[in-house]
Order: sequence, then structure tokens, then C-alpha cells
Amino acid sequence: EAGVTQFPSHSVIEKGQTVTLRCDPISGHDNLYWYRRVMGKEIKFLLHFVKESKQDESGMPNNRFLAERTGGTYSTLKVQPAELEDSGVYFCASSQVSTGGATQYFGPGTRLLVL
Amino acid sequence: DQQVKQNSPSLSVQEGRISILNCDYTNSMFDYFLWYKKYPAEGPTFLISISSIKDKNEDGRFTVFLNKSAKHLSLHIVPSQPGDSAVYFCAARGFSGSARQLTFGSGTQLTVLP
Repeated sequence: EAGVTQFPSHSVIEKGQTVTLRCDPISGHDNLYWYRRVMGKEIKFLLHFVKESKQDESGMPNNRFLAERTGGTYSTLKVQPAELEDSGVYFCASSQVSTGGATQYFGPGTRLLVL
Repeated sequence: DQQVKQNSPSLSVQEGRISILNCDYTNSMFDYFLWYKKYPAEGPTFLISISSIKDKNEDGRFTVFLNKSAKHLSLHIVPSQPGDSAVYFCAARGFSGSARQLTFGSGTQLTVLP
């Protein structure tokens, strides 16, 4: 069974540009999470989808970040316009609702560098 | 305010010996605790978990202990192997409602010396 996949693996953009990150969760996982790790610090929660609905977006830093999960399958996270402090590694994770969803499985991450 | 703390940024252990990684938390509403292992340039890999209603969970060489009164958990790896060298993150899940996200510690770099 395929794990969580993320695209692209790396992205280098200039300040003010737009970047869109994509996450494909494990098939059948209704829970989808976005996390971010900045400057090698702790991994921090951004938001949580249950199917196509945003369950919790309390971790989103500001309105330059927009996440979508149309159809309840893959998700995108768009940063527009990007700022220097947005640099970091963006992880996506998924879990099953039916089994309680406690164990989240992570993708390899997208390394974003804003210059 | 960090709700999950890993106070040791690094730990070195000889191959074959026991590795003990520690984690403290402040929020008594956490209901599930997980350990993840992370290699450079990869995502965190799930290792082992424990429910707040238990005090021990074992899976092969890995055992997690939970002390609720002390708000402390630990991961024991016995015997340690060079392939265990990685960053280990402790994570805790909120109890209910919208707080189902994981709160992570800052990680401990484990180095197992051959």
C-alpha cells in the first residue's frame, strides 16, 4: 500500500511569488493534516481536514496560506505571496477515522526555501 | 509555551546497550502519545504509541512507558543498533473535538556507536 506522498520534494521561490504544495494521503484515510517545521525546530500543526471539510485550522499562520481538499482526496496548500519566514519543511499526514485516527502517517515533506 | 518537551537534544549510546529517550508534557488532556523516528530529508516514521489509560506498551525492541502522575513518558530501545541512529520525536494528541492534532517535542538526536 502506498504511503503519503507529497509534491514537490523541494521548491525554491522568490519572496512575493506563489507556491502550491500537494499531498496525497493514504487511500481510505479521511483525516488529513498539514504540519510545518521551521529552522529545525519542533514540528507544528497547521490544519486538519476530515474528508473535504476543514476541522481545525487554528495553526495556520495568516491569510497568505490557503488549504483545500476538494473531493476529500488529495490536498493542496498554497502560499501567496510567500515571505522569507515561510521557509521550512511542510509535512502532510493522514490517518483513518474508523480506527480512531490516533496514528498519523507522514509524507516525506516539501522543503520550501523563500529567497 | 511548549506543551511537549524533550530536554535532551542528543544522546549517544554504545551498540547493544539500552537507549532511553525521555519526554515530558504539561497538558493533562492529552489522550494518546506517539514516538516517531526521523532520518534526514525524510518524513517522521511512526514507531510506537501508547494510550493514556495504559502505562506500558512493547513492540519488539521498543517499549514506551507512561507515568501520568509525573506527566512523563520514555522510549526504551533494547538492544540499540547503529540503524537506530536518527532524530526521535515525542508527540501527544489532544483529547477531543477539534484538538486532534499532534503536538511535538523538539526531538532528540540518537547516535548509536558501533
